[in-house]
Amino acid sequence: DTGVSQNPRHKITKRGQNVTFRCDPISEHNRLYWYRQTLGQGPEFLTYFQNEAQLEKSRLLSDRFSAERPKGSFSTLEIQRTEQGDSAMYLCASSLWTGATGANVLTFGAGSRLTVL
Amino acid sequence: DAKTTQPTSMDCAEGRAANLPCNHSTISGNEYVYWYRQIHSQGPQYIIHGLKNNETNEMASLIITEDRKSSTLILPHATLRDTAVYYCMGPPGGTSYGKLTFGQGTILTVHP
Repeated sequence: DTGVSQNPRHKITKRGQNVTFRCDPISEHNRLYWYRQTLGQGPEFLTYFQNEAQLEKSRLLSDRFSAERPKGSFSTLEIQRTEQGDSAMYLCASSLWTGATGANVLTFGAGSRLTVL
Repeated sequence: DAKTTQPTSMDCAEGRAANLPCNHSTISGNEYVYWYRQIHSQGPQYIIHGLKNNETNEMASLIITEDRKSSTLILPHATLRDTAVYYCMGPPGGTSYGKLTFGQGTILTVHP
């Protein structure tokens, strides 16, 4: 178990470009989450998957954002036509949801930091 | 969403116990309370969670009041490495067990 892996760790792009982040969760985890964190703020929920199904999306996830988890393993978060306001840390987390106890402990990756110039 | 309230910042001397309070008066009876911490520029790190009973692990202890409206995270012997932002949180209200909702957290500074 190597934990949750996110790539790239840092991305600098020009406004208007598209960027894609990848998250590899802990292998046996069935849930995968994306959060966004700006400087001085707590992480904000964007979306989550259970296996390949996207179960919830935040209103923060505008039309320019899309997330996929095609085979229920890794996930990608794509931002189209980036804006300066998209500059943030994008965090991925995964968990093993069994439903039995109701607890849902998320393990986070180190994050991907996006800077839009 | 279940709302949590934490002090903005706290200080603690190295080697002493750090007691971090959290108010979660709107939490539902079947919702867990989770504590995470985040050291600068790293992803949040899980510390502990609980439902009704007090919990202890190798990192910390969690004391939950009987009415479940508040809890306290205890770091028994704080070290300089425990300086971080500490988040107390729970899922949304109701029966959703999806996302965890972060608040602003408590900035804990451990000083020599």
